[in-house]
Amino acid sequence: EVQLLESGGDLVQPGGSLRLSCAGSGFIFSSSDMGWVRQAPGKGLEWVSAVSAGGGAKYYADSVKGRFAISRDNSKNTLYLQIHGLRADDTAVYYCAKTSRDSYGYMQYWGQGTLVTVSS
Amino acid sequence: DIQMTQSPSSLSASVGDRVTITCRASQDISNSLAWYQQKPGKAPNLLIYGASNLQSGVPSRFSGSASGTDFTLTISSLHPEDFATYYCLQAHSFPLTFGGGTKVEIK
Repeated sequence: EVQLLESGGDLVQPGGSLRLSCAGSGFIFSSSDMGWVRQAPGKGLEWVSAVSAGGGAKYYADSVKGRFAISRDNSKNTLYLQIHGLRADDTAVYYCAKTSRDSYGYMQYWGQGTLVTVSS
Repeated sequence: DIQMTQSPSSLSASVGDRVTITCRASQDISNSLAWYQQKPGKAPNLLIYGASNLQSGVPSRFSGSASGTDFTLTISSLHPEDFATYYCLQAHSFPLTFGGGTKVEIK
């Protein structure tokens, strides 16, 4: 059974940093493209970032480019999202997802999400 | 960036109704479109990929179609468990972009 477990969400002050983690199991993590999607409270879904299976290709939403960094450690079956310069509008539930081989946009499996709150 | 305009933003329907939700892309996305269902407090669930391909395990009452830059999700006969919010996502080019969502509520 495919499982994705996010962690690292917290209450952080504006300008702060955070690293989110997503541990994968039940599939060959090193062969899977992965991504992050977020959802602000009461709002719609926003695609954030994606990374290829080997980690060589990385993609970002315009709203996070330069502040967020996606990475992965295939030896630990873990995906990361490093966030710097947190702003109030980064407050959201962050989901990691396993994408299909056909497209980064076809996210077949999702974690339960981790909440990031940016507030002073 | 490609904009996805989803309509309606909400609708009220009864069990057994046929429901259609539309997304329009701001440019050609070559049918690289997915539909997701999300229930309150839960992660999204992939329903349709490639505009019209049913994801494994998704009931056949869900279907997707495309005409140029217009995409439609149809629920042929609404079941109680289908009351949720639906999102389209263009997967043609980065950055990927979601539509604004359609909340399907009980009439």
